[in-house]
Amino acid sequence: QQPVQSPQAVILREGEDAVINCSSSKALYSVHWYRQKHGEAPIFLMILLKGGEQKGHDKISASFNEKKQQSSLYLTASQLSYSGTYFCGTERDDMRFGAGTRLTVKP
Amino acid sequence: DAGVIQSPRHEVTEMGQEVTLRCKPISGHDYLFWYRQTMMRGLELLIYFNNNVPIDDSGMPEDRFSAKMPNASFSTLKIQPSEPRDSAVYFCASSGGRGLGQPQHFGDGTRLSIL
Repeated sequence: QQPVQSPQAVILREGEDAVINCSSSKALYSVHWYRQKHGEAPIFLMILLKGGEQKGHDKISASFNEKKQQSSLYLTASQLSYSGTYFCGTERDDMRFGAGTRLTVKP
Repeated sequence: DAGVIQSPRHEVTEMGQEVTLRCKPISGHDYLFWYRQTMMRGLELLIYFNNNVPIDDSGMPEDRFSAKMPNASFSTLKIQPSEPRDSAVYFCASSGGRGLGQPQHFGDGTRLSIL
């Protein structure tokens, strides 16, 4: 079953923060986060394993609440390069991707 | 290191024709995934292989679709006969494991248009 992402789209000014959420109805092995720019392949950002961990990568971090089967991606002090569509991928018996969140960062 | 290599990058063909998409995974990766991406349905997993063996093909839409992995460095996705609704971007991805914190590395995709 496909994970549910929210919001569907968000528009930011440079320097603003954003949170993207991903939830699943099933217990998960892991949650993956990817960013895809128009016309390009999805690029891996980070992966979170069950156990409720949190990870960071520069100004992008994520958390995974195993009890709720929810993950959140945090983008702080956004940059123009952050624009793109963000997908969460939930891994259990197979890999399912959410519908994506289109993030636009404006100057 | 070379990433996942897909060919062709673009394919335009007429309805009813056979289409073959090709993928070379990253050397040493033992999982290979085929995805289809459309505006309407997003990124869908079609099939994945482990050590060249198909594990789950429940995402393959119809019998017109078939996939093979004859060896660790090559996989094909075939559509026969093709239909306009098969138009999409098809991605191949590979990883070094599943459930072990292994990311998937995507190829650049094949943009398929069926007229």
